[in-house]
Amino acid sequence: EPEVTQTPSHQVTQMGQEVILRCVPISNHLYFYWYRQILGQKVEFLVSFYNNEISEKSEIFDDQFSVERPDGSNFTLKIRSTKLEDSAMYFCASSAGIQSTEAFFGQGTRLTVV
Amino acid sequence: DQQVKQNSPSLSVQEGRISILNCDYTNSMFDYFLWYKKYPAEGPTFLISISSIKDKNEDGRFTVFLNKSAKHLSLHIVPSQPGDSAVYFCAARWNEKLTFGTGTRLTIIP
Repeated sequence: EPEVTQTPSHQVTQMGQEVILRCVPISNHLYFYWYRQILGQKVEFLVSFYNNEISEKSEIFDDQFSVERPDGSNFTLKIRSTKLEDSAMYFCASSAGIQSTEAFFGQGTRLTVV
Repeated sequence: DQQVKQNSPSLSVQEGRISILNCDYTNSMFDYFLWYKKYPAEGPTFLISISSIKDKNEDGRFTVFLNKSAKHLSLHIVPSQPGDSAVYFCAARWNEKLTFGTGTRLTIIP
C-alpha cells in the first residue's frame, strides 16, 4: 500500500540552526501539506502546496519557514533559524486532488530544539 | 480560535459495546468532515469522511453522523474492539486546509 514517508524520524538541533525535514508523498498525489503538533496540543495546519507553489499557509508559517519540491518525489520543509517553540512533531501529508477528501499522513518527524 | 472542538478528552468503552465520539464546529464554510485515528509515534490515519451535504456515512463498523443545524458530528464504532484504542481526531476541511480538533483518547476495555 502506498504511503507517505518522512525522514528523519527524530531531529535534535540547536536553537538558531537551520533544519530541513524531508517527505516523500504518495507518487500520484498532487497536493502536499505540512502540519505540526506541539506536545499535548492539537494538530495544526502549516502550509499546502500545489503546482509547485504555496496555495495556502497559516499564520504559523512565517518567514522562517519555507517549502520546496526540489525534484519529482521529495517535498521539504525548511526552518531557517529554529526557536525553542518550534519543537513539535511535524507531519507531511498528501492527497490526490482537491476533490479527494482524505489526506494521507506520514509517520512524522519529531523536532527537538535545544 | 477553536473552530473544531472535541469536548471529551477521553472515553472508556467495554469491548463489544458502541463507542460514540463527538465533535462540534463553528465554521459553516467547512465542506467535508473527517475522522482520523492516531497511535503514539505515528501519523494520523484516515478513517471515514462525510460531505457537508450528507447526514450519514457508513463504512463497516464506523458510521459518521452530521447534524448541520447543530454544527455537530459524531463517530460511532460498533462493536468496539481492543485495537480501536487510540486517539481520535475530528477534522474539518475548507479549501485545502484541514482544521483538527484536540482529540479524544478512546480506551476499549476487554
